[in-house]
Amino acid sequence: EAGVAQSPRYKIIEKRQSVAFWCNPISGHATLYWYQQILGQGPKLLIQFQNNGVVDDSQLPKDRFSAERLKGVDSTLKIQPAKLEDSAVYLCASSLDSTTEAFFGQGTRLTVV
Amino acid sequence: RKEVEQDPGPFNVPEGATVAFNCTYSNSASQSFFWYRQDCRKEPKLLMSVYSSGNEDGRFTAQLNRASQYISLLIRDSKLSDSATYLCSKGSYIPTFGRGTSLIVHP
Repeated sequence: EAGVAQSPRYKIIEKRQSVAFWCNPISGHATLYWYQQILGQGPKLLIQFQNNGVVDDSQLPKDRFSAERLKGVDSTLKIQPAKLEDSAVYLCASSLDSTTEAFFGQGTRLTVV
Repeated sequence: RKEVEQDPGPFNVPEGATVAFNCTYSNSASQSFFWYRQDCRKEPKLLMSVYSSGNEDGRFTAQLNRASQYISLLIRDSKLSDSATYLCSKGSYIPTFGRGTSLIVHP
Protein backbone atom coordinates (compact mmCIF):
# COMPACT_ATOMS: atom_id res chain seq x y z
CA GLU A 1 0.00 0.00 0.00
CA ALA A 2 1.41 3.39 -0.98
CA GLY A 3 2.06 5.76 1.90
CA VAL A 4 1.58 9.49 2.21
CA ALA A 5 3.55 11.30 -0.47
CA GLN A 6 4.96 14.78 0.04
CA SER A 7 7.03 17.08 -2.10
CA PRO A 8 9.45 18.67 -2.15
CA ARG A 9 11.65 16.99 0.49
CA TYR A 10 13.76 20.09 1.05
CA LYS A 11 13.31 23.77 0.32
CA ILE A 12 15.48 26.79 1.01
CA ILE A 13 14.00 30.23 0.42
CA GLU A 14 14.71 33.77 1.44
CA LYS A 15 12.44 35.56 3.88
CA ARG A 16 9.47 37.26 2.29
CA GLN A 17 9.42 34.72 -0.56
CA SER A 18 6.55 32.31 -1.00
CA VAL A 19 6.60 28.51 -1.00
CA ALA A 20 4.12 25.70 -1.55
CA PHE A 21 4.07 22.12 -0.34
CA TRP A 22 2.10 19.26 -1.81
CA CYS A 23 0.64 16.17 -0.17
CA ASN A 24 -1.07 13.07 -1.54
CA PRO A 25 -2.66 11.05 1.29
CA ILE A 26 -3.27 7.34 1.48
CA SER A 27 -6.15 6.35 -0.76
CA GLY A 28 -9.44 6.26 1.11
CA HIS A 29 -8.27 8.36 4.05
CA ALA A 30 -10.85 11.03 4.69
CA THR A 31 -8.83 13.00 7.23
CA LEU A 32 -5.73 14.93 6.22
CA TYR A 33 -3.48 16.95 8.52
CA TRP A 34 -0.70 19.44 8.09
CA TYR A 35 1.70 19.67 11.01
CA GLN A 36 4.61 21.98 11.68
CA GLN A 37 7.46 20.45 13.65
CA ILE A 38 10.21 22.66 14.98
CA LEU A 39 13.40 20.94 16.15
CA GLY A 40 12.99 19.49 19.63
CA GLN A 41 9.23 19.87 19.70
CA GLY A 42 6.28 17.65 18.92
CA PRO A 43 4.20 18.11 15.77
CA LYS A 44 1.91 21.13 15.97
CA LEU A 45 -1.33 20.84 14.06
CA LEU A 46 -1.78 23.64 11.54
CA ILE A 47 -4.91 22.47 9.77
CA GLN A 48 -7.12 19.40 9.66
CA PHE A 49 -9.37 18.48 6.75
CA GLN A 50 -12.23 16.02 6.69
CA ASN A 51 -12.65 15.25 3.00
CA ASN A 52 -12.45 18.75 1.50
CA GLY A 53 -13.82 20.61 4.51
CA VAL A 54 -11.76 22.26 7.23
CA VAL A 55 -12.23 20.75 10.69
CA ASP A 56 -9.74 22.92 12.53
CA ASP A 57 -7.34 25.65 11.52
CA SER A 58 -7.09 27.50 14.81
CA GLN A 59 -3.29 27.34 14.87
CA LEU A 60 -2.78 28.29 11.23
CA PRO A 61 -1.26 31.81 10.89
CA LYS A 62 -3.85 32.86 8.39
CA ASP A 63 -2.17 36.12 7.51
CA ARG A 64 0.57 34.15 5.75
CA PHE A 65 -0.43 30.48 5.59
CA SER A 66 -3.15 28.96 3.46
CA ALA A 67 -4.15 25.41 2.65
CA GLU A 68 -6.63 23.70 0.46
CA ARG A 69 -7.77 20.20 -0.29
CA LEU A 70 -9.59 20.27 -3.56
CA LYS A 71 -11.76 17.25 -4.36
CA GLY A 72 -10.98 15.81 -0.94
CA VAL A 73 -7.76 14.11 -2.02
CA ASP A 74 -4.48 16.01 -2.57
CA SER A 75 -3.66 19.06 -0.52
CA THR A 76 -1.34 22.04 -0.79
CA LEU A 77 0.01 24.25 1.97
CA LYS A 78 1.31 27.69 1.05
CA ILE A 79 3.32 30.26 2.94
CA GLN A 80 3.39 33.82 1.65
CA PRO A 81 5.46 35.70 2.71
CA ALA A 82 7.79 33.42 4.66
CA LYS A 83 9.48 34.48 7.88
CA LEU A 84 12.64 33.15 9.49
CA GLU A 85 10.59 31.48 12.24
CA ASP A 86 8.78 29.38 9.62
CA SER A 87 11.90 27.22 9.32
CA ALA A 88 10.67 23.78 10.32
CA VAL A 89 9.62 20.42 8.97
CA TYR A 90 6.13 20.41 7.51
CA LEU A 91 4.51 17.02 7.89
CA CYS A 92 1.42 15.85 6.11
CA ALA A 93 -0.51 12.96 7.61
CA SER A 94 -3.71 11.13 6.84
CA SER A 95 -6.03 8.77 8.64
CA LEU A 96 -9.32 7.01 8.08
CA ASP A 97 -10.82 9.38 10.61
CA SER A 98 -9.55 11.58 13.43
CA THR A 99 -9.74 8.84 16.07
CA THR A 100 -7.57 6.32 14.22
CA GLU A 101 -3.81 6.29 13.85
CA ALA A 102 -2.23 8.83 11.54
CA PHE A 103 0.23 7.92 8.80
CA PHE A 104 2.85 10.52 8.07
CA GLY A 105 4.66 11.53 4.93
CA GLN A 106 8.41 12.06 5.01
CA GLY A 107 7.93 15.78 5.45
CA THR A 108 9.31 18.88 3.79
CA ARG A 109 12.25 20.51 5.54
CA LEU A 110 11.93 24.25 5.02
CA THR A 111 14.78 26.63 5.71
CA VAL A 112 14.10 30.35 5.51
CA VAL A 113 17.22 32.49 5.28
CA ARG B 1 -2.27 23.36 30.60
CA LYS B 2 -1.33 21.65 27.35
CA GLU B 3 -3.63 18.85 26.24
CA VAL B 4 -0.83 16.30 26.12
CA GLU B 5 2.33 16.59 28.21
CA GLN B 6 5.49 14.54 28.19
CA ASP B 7 8.83 14.75 29.94
CA PRO B 8 11.24 15.56 27.08
CA GLY B 9 14.11 13.69 28.76
CA PRO B 10 16.55 12.58 27.54
CA PHE B 11 16.34 9.23 29.23
CA ASN B 12 19.81 7.74 29.09
CA VAL B 13 19.82 3.99 29.82
CA PRO B 14 22.19 1.07 29.28
CA GLU B 15 21.37 -1.81 26.98
CA GLY B 16 19.15 -4.35 28.65
CA ALA B 17 17.51 -1.86 30.98
CA THR B 18 13.81 -1.39 31.45
CA VAL B 19 12.54 2.14 30.91
CA ALA B 20 9.09 3.68 31.24
CA PHE B 21 7.61 6.92 29.95
CA ASN B 22 4.41 8.58 31.02
CA CYS B 23 2.23 10.97 29.12
CA THR B 24 -0.49 12.98 30.84
CA TYR B 25 -3.50 14.35 29.06
CA SER B 26 -6.39 16.67 29.71
CA ASN B 27 -9.90 16.52 28.31
CA SER B 28 -10.85 12.94 29.04
CA ALA B 29 -13.33 12.71 26.18
CA SER B 30 -10.70 11.05 24.03
CA GLN B 31 -11.36 7.45 23.14
CA SER B 32 -8.08 6.53 21.52
CA PHE B 33 -4.43 6.97 22.34
CA PHE B 34 -1.26 6.09 20.49
CA TRP B 35 2.50 5.91 20.89
CA TYR B 36 4.59 6.93 17.92
CA ARG B 37 8.31 6.53 17.41
CA GLN B 38 10.29 9.23 15.63
CA ASP B 39 13.89 8.70 14.57
CA CYS B 40 16.17 11.64 14.03
CA ARG B 41 15.18 13.59 10.91
CA LYS B 42 12.43 11.11 10.08
CA GLU B 43 8.68 11.20 10.26
CA PRO B 44 6.73 9.76 13.22
CA LYS B 45 5.61 6.16 12.80
CA LEU B 46 3.00 4.34 14.81
CA LEU B 47 4.53 2.15 17.50
CA MET B 48 1.36 0.93 19.11
CA SER B 49 -2.17 1.82 19.99
CA VAL B 50 -3.13 2.08 23.65
CA TYR B 51 -6.21 0.20 24.78
CA SER B 52 -8.04 0.44 28.08
CA SER B 53 -7.10 -3.15 28.83
CA GLY B 54 -3.43 -2.53 28.12
CA ASN B 55 -1.49 -3.58 25.07
CA GLU B 56 1.69 -5.62 24.76
CA ASP B 57 3.85 -6.13 21.69
CA GLY B 58 7.06 -7.99 22.34
CA ARG B 59 9.24 -5.86 24.59
CA PHE B 60 6.78 -2.97 24.55
CA THR B 61 3.79 -2.53 26.85
CA ALA B 62 1.36 0.37 26.76
CA GLN B 63 -1.14 1.16 29.49
CA LEU B 64 -3.98 3.64 29.84
CA ASN B 65 -5.05 5.00 33.21
CA ARG B 66 -8.24 6.98 32.67
CA ALA B 67 -8.72 7.80 36.34
CA SER B 68 -5.36 9.58 36.54
CA GLN B 69 -5.41 10.64 32.90
CA TYR B 70 -2.13 9.25 31.72
CA ILE B 71 -0.77 6.68 29.34
CA SER B 72 2.48 4.86 29.75
CA LEU B 73 4.99 3.02 27.61
CA LEU B 74 7.27 0.39 29.09
CA ILE B 75 10.26 -0.90 27.15
CA ARG B 76 11.95 -4.02 28.48
CA ASP B 77 15.43 -5.25 27.57
CA SER B 78 16.32 -2.00 25.79
CA LYS B 79 18.27 -2.26 22.54
CA LEU B 80 20.58 0.30 20.97
CA SER B 81 18.05 0.51 18.14
CA ASP B 82 15.36 1.71 20.55
CA SER B 83 17.10 5.09 20.68
CA ALA B 84 14.56 7.55 19.31
CA THR B 85 11.94 10.06 20.38
CA TYR B 86 8.64 8.61 21.56
CA LEU B 87 5.56 10.73 20.97
CA CYS B 88 2.22 10.12 22.61
CA SER B 89 -0.94 11.14 20.85
CA LYS B 90 -4.50 11.60 21.92
CA GLY B 91 -6.94 10.74 19.19
CA SER B 92 -10.08 12.78 19.19
CA TYR B 93 -12.05 15.08 16.93
CA ILE B 94 -8.82 17.09 16.76
CA PRO B 95 -5.83 14.81 17.58
CA THR B 96 -3.01 16.19 19.70
CA PHE B 97 0.63 15.16 20.09
CA GLY B 98 2.97 15.57 22.99
CA ARG B 99 6.41 17.07 22.46
CA GLY B 100 8.08 13.67 22.68
CA THR B 101 10.43 11.92 25.07
CA SER B 102 13.97 11.29 23.94
CA LEU B 103 15.46 7.88 24.70
CA ILE B 104 19.16 7.14 24.36
CA VAL B 105 20.24 3.54 24.86
CA HIS B 106 24.01 3.18 25.28
CA PRO B 107 26.26 0.11 25.25
